[in-house]
Amino acid sequence: DIVMTQSPATLSVSPGERATLSCRASQSVSSNLAWYQQKPGQAPRLLIYGASTRATGIPARFSGSGSGTEFTLTISSLQSDDFAVYYCQHYNHWPRTFGQGTKVEIK
Amino acid sequence: QVQLQQSGPGLVKPSQTLSLTCAVSGDSVSSNSATWNWIRQSPSRGLEWLGRTYYRSKWYNDYVISVKSRITINPDTSKNQFSLQLNSVTPEDTAVYYCARESRGLADSWGQGTLVTVSS
Repeated sequence: DIVMTQSPATLSVSPGERATLSCRASQSVSSNLAWYQQKPGQAPRLLIYGASTRATGIPARFSGSGSGTEFTLTISSLQSDDFAVYYCQHYNHWPRTFGQGTKVEIK
Repeated sequence: QVQLQQSGPGLVKPSQTLSLTCAVSGDSVSSNSATWNWIRQSPSRGLEWLGRTYYRSKWYNDYVISVKSRITINPDTSKNQFSLQLNSVTPEDTAVYYCARESRGLADSWGQGTLVTVSS
């Protein structure tokens, strides 16, 4: 199975600042990489797919990049609603696997 | 808009069977372009994709190796729903269980989640 490794585990950011989250795959997943946001008590919400395409209704401050084994999620100017846990997940083949998550917290 | 509504008990005794159902509206479990999935989340294991069922002229299932000997996911086309059965549960199976639709490889619709505790 492909192991997805996210860094850092926790990111402390002030509102209005930029946040950069990383995700590494143990082998190439091409661009078959998604990012999800999860808030307490809620299911994960799809943000980005195809490594860089925003899902429907996702604000432009969220952007994704990368291919192969290295990926980045950038939140250009953090809003109060963005403090949450973010997961990457590959869908290159079965089984799908998730990273362990990056918690974005208020600094 | 696709909606998934989960149902099932929140407490299961060790060695017994965990059973959950996910009712689908806004899509068909017999769709040729979607898969129907169970995913769980626990502090120790994180998010773990357990398995899926899907229809491509016939029904298929895929399961993750860690639970393959204990899991069954079945569609119920008459009720447009699908179910999860996990046998011989232990406290390690305590988790929030989610059903999800995967379309074009993306888990774009999720159920509300069910906390299942394995305890006597």
